[in-house]
Amino acid sequence: DVKVTQSSRYLVKRTGEKVFLECVQDMDHENMFWYRQDPGLGLRLIYFSYDVKMKEKGDIPEGYSVSREKKERFSLILESASTNQTSMYLCASRWGGGTYQPQHFGDGTRLSIL
Amino acid sequence: KQEVTQIPAALSVPEGENLVLNCSFTDSAIYNLQWFRQDPGKGLTSLLLIQSSQREQTSGRLNASLDKSSGRSTLYIAASQPGDSATYLCAVRMDSNYQLIWGAGTKLIIKP
Repeated sequence: DVKVTQSSRYLVKRTGEKVFLECVQDMDHENMFWYRQDPGLGLRLIYFSYDVKMKEKGDIPEGYSVSREKKERFSLILESASTNQTSMYLCASRWGGGTYQPQHFGDGTRLSIL
Repeated sequence: KQEVTQIPAALSVPEGENLVLNCSFTDSAIYNLQWFRQDPGKGLTSLLLIQSSQREQTSGRLNASLDKSSGRSTLYIAASQPGDSATYLCAVRMDSNYQLIWGAGTKLIIKP
């Protein structure tokens, strides 16, 4: 079974802090994704990476950056956290070798910015 | 621009009933459609993925159908159980694009 692990289930930070959210997958997947999920807005794509050192902006990249130095790890960075970045953050991975491969998700990180 | 809609937003049914969840999309040029389940405070679990060339997929008590021409997919759950209570989301992948476009989900409650 695919395992996508997010480093923290719950995280509380203060405004202005630099925040790192880590995601690791164990299936050698090429594609990795970061989403945020907010009530009434559904899932919105922040960034995705289709391979090591590759990254593409999603729908809402402002205020975020990402790092993909190794295939198994995709990090989301909040450069200077703000209260409007309080949300549930979900990481997903997918095998890039076929069109019809599903995305597999981690359990999420619930981030609160005070 | 593709839009994905799930109606109703919430549904409550007695245990044992068969039920159908709906997902509609505006642009039929999709690569695939995927159904997910999300338990409260948790991540998403992939349930079924239907390729654009397929009409349906089955897994246990779940059956997902796809009608591209009408822009609709349904998720049929047979003999519902309280453990089926969760939010169900559908997402479509468009041609030549890695991204998924998501519906807002249907929150399902199965009453014992």
